[in-house]
Amino acid sequence: QKEVEQNSGPLSVPEGAIASLNCTYSDRGSQSFFWYRQYSGKSPELIMFIYSNGDKEDGRFTAQLNKASQYVSLLIRDSQPSDSATYLCAVNRVKAAGNKLTFGGGTRVLVKP
Amino acid sequence: DTEVTQTPKHLVMGMTNKKSLKCEQHMGHRAMYWYKQKAKKPPELMFVYSYEKLSINESVPSRFSPECPNSSLLNLHLHALQPEDSALYLCASSQPGRERATNEKLFFGSGTQLSVL
Repeated sequence: QKEVEQNSGPLSVPEGAIASLNCTYSDRGSQSFFWYRQYSGKSPELIMFIYSNGDKEDGRFTAQLNKASQYVSLLIRDSQPSDSATYLCAVNRVKAAGNKLTFGGGTRVLVKP
Repeated sequence: DTEVTQTPKHLVMGMTNKKSLKCEQHMGHRAMYWYKQKAKKPPELMFVYSYEKLSINESVPSRFSPECPNSSLLNLHLHALQPEDSALYLCASSQPGRERATNEKLFFGSGTQLSVL
């Protein structure tokens, strides 16, 4: 079982619709959860982070965390063509030696005009 | 300055070459990271430096040798690489501290695309 699992996609959504991305993780000791966006040929860019169960909203993005189910999701409202990218879920288990971020395989999102 | 700068952007090397990748940040961050990303795969952690000391080595082969000369610089020395080492090498930094919202945020550089022939 992979430590962090995502559906690879592509997830195709029409412009203006809601894109829903899911992520599950296996390590119950995971403490922090992140969503990174990565455009083709570019480096990952942090868009959301969440530590507590529930929802966290930032602009058009909402992250949802359910630690009991070991599940984290990302909603993108009013999707735009510029949102077309690969979205990486990342899980952090903080150690004394430093942050050890583990990434999922990513979900490719295509927003069609 | 909120950038992590990596050089070179592209590197082609033979299996007998020795080369180095460089990473620099001026955000005052005291944790720096090397990640490796193969095409269509997620980034994989290689090394973590915390306060200029190597704190995590993810069992990386010795042909990869990290170095942190000071708090702003991180190098990755490459020697006798294999073609399967061809990948995007990403440097990142973060600021250790008590505030989780700060210390767990990684800022990534744009990466060095490495090709080993």
